[in-house]
Amino acid sequence: NAGVTQTPKFQVLKTGQSMTLQCAQDMNHNSMYWYRQDPGMGLRLIYYSASEGTTDKGEVPNGYNVSRLNKREFSLRLESAAPSQTSVYFCAISDRGNTGELFFGEGSRLTVL
Amino acid sequence: GENVEQHPSTLSVQEGDSAVIKCTYSDSASNYFPWYKQELGKGPQLIIDIRSNVGEKKDQRIAVTLNKTAKHFSLHITETQPEDSAVYFCAASFSGSARQLTFGSGTQLTVLP
Repeated sequence: NAGVTQTPKFQVLKTGQSMTLQCAQDMNHNSMYWYRQDPGMGLRLIYYSASEGTTDKGEVPNGYNVSRLNKREFSLRLESAAPSQTSVYFCAISDRGNTGELFFGEGSRLTVL
Repeated sequence: GENVEQHPSTLSVQEGDSAVIKCTYSDSASNYFPWYKQELGKGPQLIIDIRSNVGEKKDQRIAVTLNKTAKHFSLHITETQPEDSAVYFCAASFSGSARQLTFGSGTQLTVLP
């Protein structure tokens, strides 16, 4: 039982390149989230999905797109990477979004040169 | 929107001593206050939470206190052990929804043997 699985764990991109971060869960939770973590800034919500087929912007959505492919999978895409997107990205899940508890993946460290 | 400030950013204690991390929040409507622990190379994990209808909650060596009037809440760890070394994040939200969570900037706790 892996919980929340993120791929890749590490990635280096050049400015302007695109990439997709993948997230898959096996806990059958409805809500999925993408956060970014930067030093001294805590965790900031990029996008979230309350259920399959729905997505909504969080605090810092600019430069990102998401897809909720099915109940298990939620991907984050950077169409044209910028150095400001260098960060650690976390996928998280919660049950219906109302219990408060988030279950996080182990993170994906992205460096944009 | 909600703003959560967390102090200190780093904290070193001797093994066996107590550690206290403090957070203040700005939105008086916030009523759910979780604490997450992030070990090196891992995603954050919920360790304790409190809702605004109580002033204190304990779970073994960990306790959280809430002062709604002053809009601050604190994490207390007693009898610290080396495995308590980690980054700790406070957060606040209205209605307990994970979607609404605003995180503090984090505290790096180091327990010295």
